[in-house]
Amino acid sequence: DGGITQSPKYLFRKEGQNVTLSCEQNLNHDAMYWYRQDPGQGLRLIYYSQIVNDFQKGDIAEGYSVSREKKESFPLTVTSAQKNPTAFYLCASSIVTLGPTGTGELFFGEGSRLTVL
Amino acid sequence: QKEVEQDPGPLSVPEGAIVSLNCTYSNSAFQYFMWYRQYSRKGPELLMYTYSSGNKEDGRFTAQVDKSSKYISLFIRDSQPSDSATYLCAMTGEYGNKLVFGAGTILRVKS
Repeated sequence: DGGITQSPKYLFRKEGQNVTLSCEQNLNHDAMYWYRQDPGQGLRLIYYSQIVNDFQKGDIAEGYSVSREKKESFPLTVTSAQKNPTAFYLCASSIVTLGPTGTGELFFGEGSRLTVL
Repeated sequence: QKEVEQDPGPLSVPEGAIVSLNCTYSNSAFQYFMWYRQYSRKGPELLMYTYSSGNKEDGRFTAQVDKSSKYISLFIRDSQPSDSATYLCAMTGEYGNKLVFGAGTILRVKS
């Protein structure tokens, strides 16, 4: 079955530690995204990548880093510089082209919940 | 002011009711409008997609877009307890794939 796999599902981190969230997709999608979801704030874009070895900052990139060495993989590192990292993190992928006949659909993983102790 | 405004709810309705969920937006460049449904502790999934203005119907769900008022709606007929979820509106302009999401409305359908 095609889809997006995020791991781990739950993660606890001590202050000052970096953590890496994994995201793998087998949908053969070019574009991949990381979102952060906080209660009452919807989804906010952290980073996105439309092609291997290239990525762009989203709206809240500070304190985060990503890599896109393979089409299937887009890991997110939450660094110690992120002031408020406790959140639900969602990875998504899509076919890049968006148009009237396309769905513009983002396919999401099941999320990773990060808690800073 | 946020680019997309959505009442977070929660909205609580009895089973069988008609539900109306709404978003307003400020960016007149938005052309593509979507509704995602998110069950608790899961990722969102696409429910409805509309290009430009007009209505789109899919089973019990109807999406409406009024670009002149910068207002979009999702109607759910004959609501079921299984419709209980968070509904997120999302939209984007013509030349980009970067979606702007609303905060999401929590819907609870009571049996």
